[in-house]
Amino acid sequence: QKEVEQNSGPLSVPEGAIASLNCTYSDRGSQSFFWYRQYSGKSPELIMFIYSNGDKEDGRFTAQLNKASQYVSLLIRDSQPSDSATYLCASQGGSSASKIIFGSGTRLSIRP
Amino acid sequence: EAQVTQNPRYLITVTGKKLTVTCSQNMNHEYMSWYRQDPGLGLRQIYYSMNVEVTDKGDVPEGYKVSRKEKRNFPLILESPSPNQTSLYFCASSLGRTRRTDTQYFGPGTRLTVL
Repeated sequence: QKEVEQNSGPLSVPEGAIASLNCTYSDRGSQSFFWYRQYSGKSPELIMFIYSNGDKEDGRFTAQLNKASQYVSLLIRDSQPSDSATYLCASQGGSSASKIIFGSGTRLSIRP
Repeated sequence: EAQVTQNPRYLITVTGKKLTVTCSQNMNHEYMSWYRQDPGLGLRQIYYSMNVEVTDKGDVPEGYKVSRKEKRNFPLILESPSPNQTSLYFCASSLGRTRRTDTQYFGPGTRLTVL
């Protein structure tokens, strides 16, 4: 079992709708979770991080963390074509405190 | 401009020919890391360094070496490259002091092909 799992997609969402991206993790000791966006041929860039149970909102993005279910999600409201990218979930602070584990990413496509 | 730089950006080499990919950051970050990215496997951490002279293995360290003699530089060394090391490599850095909110800043990537 991979330590951080994501559905590879592609996930296709109409413009203006809510895109929901999910991530599960296996190491209960993981403390922080990060969502990165990666456009094709580019480097990953941080969207947001979360380390407390519940929701965290930043503009059109909301991250949700449920430690009991070992589940992290990212919601993108009012999806735009520019949101089309691969979204990477990452965990930090598990069995090795300084190691960072990435999921394989979910490819999101926003259709006009 | 705050940035992470990598060189070279593209490299084609042959099996067994030693190579070094350089990584440098100008943000005074303590934490630096190397990743490889392969289709369907996502980003996998090769090595990381929490500070000068402190390095540790990530998930896929076999066939790689690193050193951290200066805070700003973290070169990745392939002593005897093999075709299974053909990949896209990213260097990243972060402050390293507040792990819970430690944002990784990525370099532009190095596309390596080993024939």
